[in-house]
Amino acid sequence: GAGVSQSPSNKVTEKGKDVELRCDPISGHTALYWYRQSLGQGLEFLIYFQGNSAPDKSGLPSDRFSAERTGGSVSTLTIQRTQQEDSAVYLCASSSGALSEKLFFGSGTQLSVL
Amino acid sequence: ELKVEQNPLFLSMQEGKNYTIYCNYSTTSDRLYWYRQDPGKSLESLFVLLSNGAVKQEGRLMASLDTKARLSTLHITAAVHDLSATYFCAVVRANAGGTSYGKLTFGQGTILTVHP
Repeated sequence: GAGVSQSPSNKVTEKGKDVELRCDPISGHTALYWYRQSLGQGLEFLIYFQGNSAPDKSGLPSDRFSAERTGGSVSTLTIQRTQQEDSAVYLCASSSGALSEKLFFGSGTQLSVL
Repeated sequence: ELKVEQNPLFLSMQEGKNYTIYCNYSTTSDRLYWYRQDPGKSLESLFVLLSNGAVKQEGRLMASLDTKARLSTLHITAAVHDLSATYFCAVVRANAGGTSYGKLTFGQGTILTVHP
């Protein structure tokens, strides 16, 4: 596609349930990133994938959060046993991985945990 | 820990006026980004600044980088209503290695409102 695609655009879930968020990066982009945006914390880095290298998971806030990237393309961010503080907009971005390249962000998934 | 601070956080401007948003960061960095975000929308890339003294301009916006002062500025010339949005700067720590290009640390954002 022409841009980074995320689904669903909105997700409402009950506390304690698991959720999966999906990201389709721009075709040919080897780097994929997940960020979280919330009123209290601003924009926070979560995880980064680059090609076949081991992902940089240093931003994941707890072991309830995990992400995978299959075939070097689509990525899924999974949050287990959701808590109310997980409510935020989850943004995915991709880039070519080159030093000077911009990150292109998707429209995000608005997650609300009741 | 890398910290990024923007100033001001809220900016109300009259159309036609000029103003500057400042972005300070706490440790050495080799890349700085400016993004724009409209309400309910995602982030749109404006500029990537890669070296000391870099200056980039597009339309009424001009961004510059001073790596020695650890400061970037986003200058707005003759503001128009369409520029109303939230502006973020973001920094990548220097010497992050080949696997951390995307680990941006964002500023708090500057909410810009341009009114007649």
